[in-house]
Amino acid sequence: NAGVMQNPRHLVRRRGQEARLRCSPMKGHSHVYWYRQLPEEGLKFMVYLQKENIIDESGMPKERFSAEFPKEGPSILRIQQVVRGDSAAYFCASSPLGPQYNEQFFGPGTRLTVL
Amino acid sequence: GENVEQHPSTLSVQEGDSAVIKCTYSDSASNYFPWYKQELGKGPQLIIDIRSNVGEKKDQRIAVTLNKTAKHFSLHITETQPEDSAVYFCAANTNAGKSTFGDGTTLTVKP
Repeated sequence: NAGVMQNPRHLVRRRGQEARLRCSPMKGHSHVYWYRQLPEEGLKFMVYLQKENIIDESGMPKERFSAEFPKEGPSILRIQQVVRGDSAAYFCASSPLGPQYNEQFFGPGTRLTVL
Repeated sequence: GENVEQHPSTLSVQEGDSAVIKCTYSDSASNYFPWYKQELGKGPQLIIDIRSNVGEKKDQRIAVTLNKTAKHFSLHITETQPEDSAVYFCAANTNAGKSTFGDGTTLTVKP
């Protein structure tokens, strides 16, 4: 049973470009969470999605950031017009059932570098 | 919203000694408290968790305690080994789904 998959593992963008980060949850998991980790800091919640629905986006910046989890295919975190401050590791996690069951399984992360 | 504080930020112990990491949380609605180990360049890996209806849980050399009244929980690692060296994060969850993480503890186990 494959774990949570994220790609790419490393992504380099120039200021102003778009970054697209993909997350394939574990098989059978329909809940996805995105977190951002700045160097030597903890993980900060960004957004929680179920299939085709955004449940909680309270941690996501209002501008330039968007997320989706379509009926088919991976969850996508999109960052438009990237700036140097977007450089971070972005992790997604998935869980099999609703949040009351709590346990989240993390992927290996995508490390975004903005030049 | 929830606020989780974690101490210490760095911890160095001799191989075979015990290590203790402490966290406090603010939201009394939090009911699930996982602990993660993160190695360099990797994602967090769940090592142990505890729910609010339990005061203590143990898994081999790792144990977690929870004091709901005081809103704090702790990770205890006994007989530490060099491979225990990593960054450890505590987190607090409510039924709303998202995890609020502490800022991490860098544990170094010296051989």
